[in-house]
Amino acid sequence: EAQVTQNPRYLITVTGKKLTVTCSQNMNHEYMSWYRQDPGLGLRQIYYSMNVEVTDKGDVPEGYKVSRKEKRNFPLILESPSPNQTSLYFCASSSGQGDVSPLHFGNGTRLTVT
Amino acid sequence: QKEVEQNSGPLSVPEGAIASLNCTYSDRGSQSFFWYRQYSGKSPELIMSIYSNGDKEDGRFTAQLNKASQYVSLLIRDSQPSDSATYLCAVPLNQAGTALIFGKGTTLSVSS
Repeated sequence: EAQVTQNPRYLITVTGKKLTVTCSQNMNHEYMSWYRQDPGLGLRQIYYSMNVEVTDKGDVPEGYKVSRKEKRNFPLILESPSPNQTSLYFCASSSGQGDVSPLHFGNGTRLTVT
Repeated sequence: QKEVEQNSGPLSVPEGAIASLNCTYSDRGSQSFFWYRQYSGKSPELIMSIYSNGDKEDGRFTAQLNKASQYVSLLIRDSQPSDSATYLCAVPLNQAGTALIFGKGTTLSVSS
C-alpha cells in the first residue's frame, strides 16, 4: 500500500530534550515536506526537499532541522524543543510529475513540549 | 511573499444545499490551485485541482477559477453530513506544485 508513515503519532517531551520525528514514504517520491498545523494559523511549511541531499526552508524553519540522505526518508529534528513547538506535524510527499502532483500526507504527529 | 486567504467559517448549510467556499491569493503569477479536505484529527487529502480559468467539475464538486480576480472557489452540490470538514485552499511555492502554501481553511458543517 502506498503511504507516508510518520512516527511517533503522539509525543510528549520536555523543553530542551532533543527529538526526532521520522517520515518514510514507499512511493519513490522525489519531493518531501514537513508542515506544522496550529489552531488559527493553518498549515505552515517548515522545510521541504526536492531530492536526496537537497533541502530548503519553508515559512517557519526556526528551531528545526531536516536531512535527506535517502530518497524514502525525511526526518524532522528538534535539537532543543521549546513549548512554542507544541503542534500537530505532518510529513508529505509528491512525485512532482505531470500537471497534478498531489501531496500525500502522513497521519500526523502530535507533539507536546512541556 | 505568497498569501492565501480564506474565511475561517464555520459555514453551516443544511443537507442537500450547495456549499460555496472561497479563496483569494496574492501571487498573480500562480498557475495551479488545489483544494484539500481535512476531517478533524486527520491528514489533508486532495479533492480538486484547477489550472485554467472557468469551471472544473468532479462529481458533486466544482472548482471555479478567475485569475483576473485572483479568486478560486469550491462548490459542493447536494451537501451531505459527511462533507463536514475543513477545506484548505493551496497554491504552489514551486512550479511542480509540490511545495504548497495553504490558506487557514474554512470549516464546513452540514446539518441533517
